[in-house]
Amino acid sequence: GESVGLHLPTLSVQEGDNSIINCAYSNSASDYFIWYKQESGKGPQFIIDIRSNMDKRQGQRVTVLLNKTVKHLSLQIAATQPGDSAVYFCAEGKGAQKLVFGQGTRLTINP
Amino acid sequence: DVKVTQSSRYLVKRTGEKVFLECVQDMDHENMFWYRQDPGLGLRLIYFSYDVKMKEKGDIPEGYSVSREKKERFSLILESASTNQTSMYLCASSLEDREYFGPGTRLTVT
Repeated sequence: GESVGLHLPTLSVQEGDNSIINCAYSNSASDYFIWYKQESGKGPQFIIDIRSNMDKRQGQRVTVLLNKTVKHLSLQIAATQPGDSAVYFCAEGKGAQKLVFGQGTRLTINP
Repeated sequence: DVKVTQSSRYLVKRTGEKVFLECVQDMDHENMFWYRQDPGLGLRLIYFSYDVKMKEKGDIPEGYSVSREKKERFSLILESASTNQTSMYLCASSLEDREYFGPGTRLTVT
């Protein structure tokens, strides 16, 4: 039969608010996690990454949280700006194996 | 800064044509990848390579082949393009974990 694409989850936030994008990963043995941002018509860009020996890592306006107990990853964006509008992907990896990507979440900013 | 470039941003080809998509990276990365991206389906891995002249099938290799004659270059080949290969094609390279992506090639097959 015909396959149907999944609807992309969407998160809408007010400009200036904080955004939290969530991701559930599948492999409890994964030891590397990464977030990408993809703007319309462009390739994914690296935002931040974290290894499994850490629970939290901060960058400029972004924080990644890792909860290995429930296999959950989140990306927090502080003071969301219009330029943050994009699709955000999480990915997991183990050792030198290739990354496994999530479906992505579309972040839209309301003025 | 790592730079991954793709030969074309937009490409229109006819059904049955042989199509070459080229990818070049400038950071001496061992690993290179080809993905296609379709609305609602995320990134799907077509082929990857961990070394020159080495290739491995990804999740959706049917209808595609690849070539890696030099470390910096990884080519994706559509032997006989079909309309269901209309998509955004993304190339990436990595040394260890982090993959660096090119800008993508939007291919339309008519």
